[in-house]
Amino acid sequence: EAGVTQFPSHSVIEKGQTVTLRCDPISGHDNLYWYRRVMGKEIKFLLHFVKESKQDESGMPNNRFLAERTGGTYSTLKVQPAELEDSGVYFCASSQSPGGVAFFGQGTRLTVV
Amino acid sequence: GEDVEQSLFLSVREGDSSVINCTYTDSSSTYLYWYKQEPGAGLQLLTYIFSNMDMKQDQRLTVLLNKKDKHLSLRIADTQTGDSAIYFCAVSANQAGTALIFGKGTTLSVSS
Repeated sequence: EAGVTQFPSHSVIEKGQTVTLRCDPISGHDNLYWYRRVMGKEIKFLLHFVKESKQDESGMPNNRFLAERTGGTYSTLKVQPAELEDSGVYFCASSQSPGGVAFFGQGTRLTVV
Repeated sequence: GEDVEQSLFLSVREGDSSVINCTYTDSSSTYLYWYKQEPGAGLQLLTYIFSNMDMKQDQRLTVLLNKKDKHLSLRIADTQTGDSAIYFCAVSANQAGTALIFGKGTTLSVSS
């Protein structure tokens, strides 16, 4: 069974540009989560989807970040425009049930220069 | 809010046991987790424990949970060089268990 898959694995963009990260959850997992770890700090929760609905977006840092999950399958996280402080590793996770065991992807390392 | 604390570094010799400790301020998690991150890799679910359990053993791994003291530990028996990684403790930030709070991670260094 395929795990959580994230694309790309690395992205280097200039400040002010737009970047879109993609996450494919484990098949059948309705719950999808985004997290990020910036500048060696703690891994922080960003938001939670149940199918295509945003259940909890309390961790989203500001309106430059837009997450979508059209059709309730894969999800995208767009950063527009990117700032230097957005650099870090963005993780996606999925679980079968809300609060169930969460499996993480390998992360996307974003570098904004 | 919830806070999770871990020591940042642990250094052991190959063959010894490693114990990584984690304390948290408050948790209504159904599960409490240990994740492992090897260099250049993602977060790998290492093990987890139900909140109504005191101990869970899985091969070389033993997880101990003391809910009274809000203390979680991970013991790795017969530590190998391949165990060198960052280990993250994670607990739930909410009743639903849908948002995890992570510690800063403990870097385990195993020398031969």
